[in-house]
Amino acid sequence: GQQLNQSPQSMFIQEGEDVSMNCTSSSIFNTWLWYKQDPGEGPVLLIALYKAGELTSNGRLTAQFGITRKDSFLNISASIPSDVGIYFCAGYQYNNNDMRFGAGTRLTVKP
Amino acid sequence: NAGVMQNPRHLVRRRGQEARLRCSPMKGHSHVYWYRQLPEEGLKFMVYLQKENIIDESGMPKERFSAEFPKEGPSILRIQQVVRGDSAAYFCASSPQDGATNEKLFFGSGTQLSVL
Repeated sequence: GQQLNQSPQSMFIQEGEDVSMNCTSSSIFNTWLWYKQDPGEGPVLLIALYKAGELTSNGRLTAQFGITRKDSFLNISASIPSDVGIYFCAGYQYNNNDMRFGAGTRLTVKP
Repeated sequence: NAGVMQNPRHLVRRRGQEARLRCSPMKGHSHVYWYRQLPEEGLKFMVYLQKENIIDESGMPKERFSAEFPKEGPSILRIQQVVRGDSAAYFCASSPQDGATNEKLFFGSGTQLSVL
């Protein structure tokens, strides 16, 4: 199935820095979602976006649904050590109930 | 995501044995997805099931792998005659499919399969 292009693959940052990651696709999606996976656990939903251009925040996290419906980005402000993990974007299409994931961005935060 | 139960958490098999991975979706969820995650890689879709039906198995290898979601009981991912390349974390996710939140997947904690 169609996989999403997620970048960067990994990031090493200092505590307090801001983080930005994005996801692109050749296909249009109805919904973009961002998940976080802690080591040894399953992914947990962070933010869901439903409309092109939509900008949504969840605490220090902000995500946007691209105007073309083919991309999305996630920003994390003022990172803290517990932000460490793998962040996945996912695109969802209503017509075939299809959900696809990006390869993930591995975030390391140095205290 | 604590509501999706997967067991076992860790499964060790020798080459040629069978692996059976179980997933109980969240209460009220009738749709189950299975994903495979190799070390340092993302989630790869395997199969999507509703009760008693396979909706999409396009991500599942044609041989040795099968999945079911019976009317009663958990969803089962079965891998026959395992090989070392099957070693991975297998995640199950469920969604309510109530028309309002179809896209929100709730994941279990995964089963780590190790093939010796």
